[in-house]
Amino acid sequence: AQSVTQLGSHVSVSEGALVLLRCNYSSSVPPYLFWYVQYPNQGLQLLLKYTTGATLVKGINGFEAEFKKSETSFHLTKPSAHMSDAAEYFCAVIGGGFKTIFGAGTRLFVKA
Amino acid sequence: GAVVSQHPSRVICKSGTSVKIECRSLDFQATTMFWYRQFPKQSLMLMATSNEGSKATYEQGVEKDKFLINHASLTLSTLTVTSAHPEDSSFYICSASPRTSRGFMNTEAFFGQGTRLTVV
Repeated sequence: AQSVTQLGSHVSVSEGALVLLRCNYSSSVPPYLFWYVQYPNQGLQLLLKYTTGATLVKGINGFEAEFKKSETSFHLTKPSAHMSDAAEYFCAVIGGGFKTIFGAGTRLFVKA
Repeated sequence: GAVVSQHPSRVICKSGTSVKIECRSLDFQATTMFWYRQFPKQSLMLMATSNEGSKATYEQGVEKDKFLINHASLTLSTLTVTSAHPEDSSFYICSASPRTSRGFMNTEAFFGQGTRLTVV
């Protein structure tokens, strides 16, 4: 069965600093991995996804993530945080029956 | 990308009444849709898989008589919260995936905007 673990329920960074949100996955088959962002009282917005091919995936709003099979990781990064990046971030994997399985989420705080 | 529309975005109902939430795939046919529930400050938990023309498949712990799912057409699935109580207040989100040209399920799910249900 597939699963994802997000390390750190809260991450706080200063504006302009590097953003690093950690995600590790467990999968018995090659995984399809996703990062979503959710702003308060809103739905999900896809940031980026990895299915096959290049392991460094670039997404919207300057975010990128690298699929590392040896580390079973798919960490999300952004070189310079903006205030508008403050939100909840979910790492996800496609599981059996094409269900999307979400991590617990990481709340990103950006300090001025 | 494909568009999934959810309606209503917010609903307030009285305890004991039923509420219906609609999930539509606007530009593709979806034989399978998924319903998720999200409590405040928590992750999304899969409630059930909605299958067009057949019974929904519920996750363990989800009451099928409480959360009625109907997937009567290839573009519409509905979730009805029956005899709603305050503990049913939550954020409900649906998702669907179009099939590829070869008929396989797309690896990416497209999510509706979510429905905030408040039971008073």
